[in-house]
Amino acid sequence: DVVLTQTPSTLSATIGQSVSISCRSSQSLLDSAGNTYLYWYLQRPGQSPQLLIYLVSNLGSGVPNRFSGSGSGTDFTLKISGVEAEDLGVYYCMQATHAPLTFGSGTKLEIK
Amino acid sequence: VQLVESGGGLVQPGKSLKLSCSASGFTFSSYGMHWIRQAPGKGLDWVAYISSSSGTVYADAVKGRFTISRDNAKNTLYLQLNSLKSEDTAIYYCARSRLWVLFDYWGQGVMVTVSS
Repeated sequence: DVVLTQTPSTLSATIGQSVSISCRSSQSLLDSAGNTYLYWYLQRPGQSPQLLIYLVSNLGSGVPNRFSGSGSGTDFTLKISGVEAEDLGVYYCMQATHAPLTFGSGTKLEIK
Repeated sequence: VQLVESGGGLVQPGKSLKLSCSASGFTFSSYGMHWIRQAPGKGLDWVAYISSSSGTVYADAVKGRFTISRDNAKNTLYLQLNSLKSEDTAIYYCARSRLWVLFDYWGQGVMVTVSS
């Protein structure tokens, strides 16, 4: 199975600060058709996860544009440009290029 | 769009349980559907998938024990859990997918506890 390694495991930020989360894959997530099925989700405390980013860099519906995704191959990054209080929670990357679909272990964002 | 899970509870090891996910607000028959679980205090773990045409795929950990199915007339997704183990204890979420957009909507989750 593809292993996704997220760093850091915990992140502490002040309101307005920009932060980045890394997701590294044990295999390239580029498929033979040229697609990269890498996703980012946020799970706020006590809530279900919500989609932030699909296909590496596409913003989910209704997701604020302070969130952005980038990367290719095995290295991917989620950036939050100007953290807001509502951004606290656990961020997960997920890959769907290789079966079975796998998630990273999560990055917990705390607000100082 | 709304996804509402039900059917969870406390069950003994080796027993069975059937989860349901009632969908509304979208054309259910046009979407693939997934079950994803989260053990207490842990991360997300994909469990099973059923396509709009009812093709199925399972995680190795549940293959042969769990069965995913759907009833498009009732707009409902199911997960039959057999031969339950303590390690199946988790919140079970249903989520939809279509083309390359995976899990844009999730249910609120339903708790399954396997314990004697």
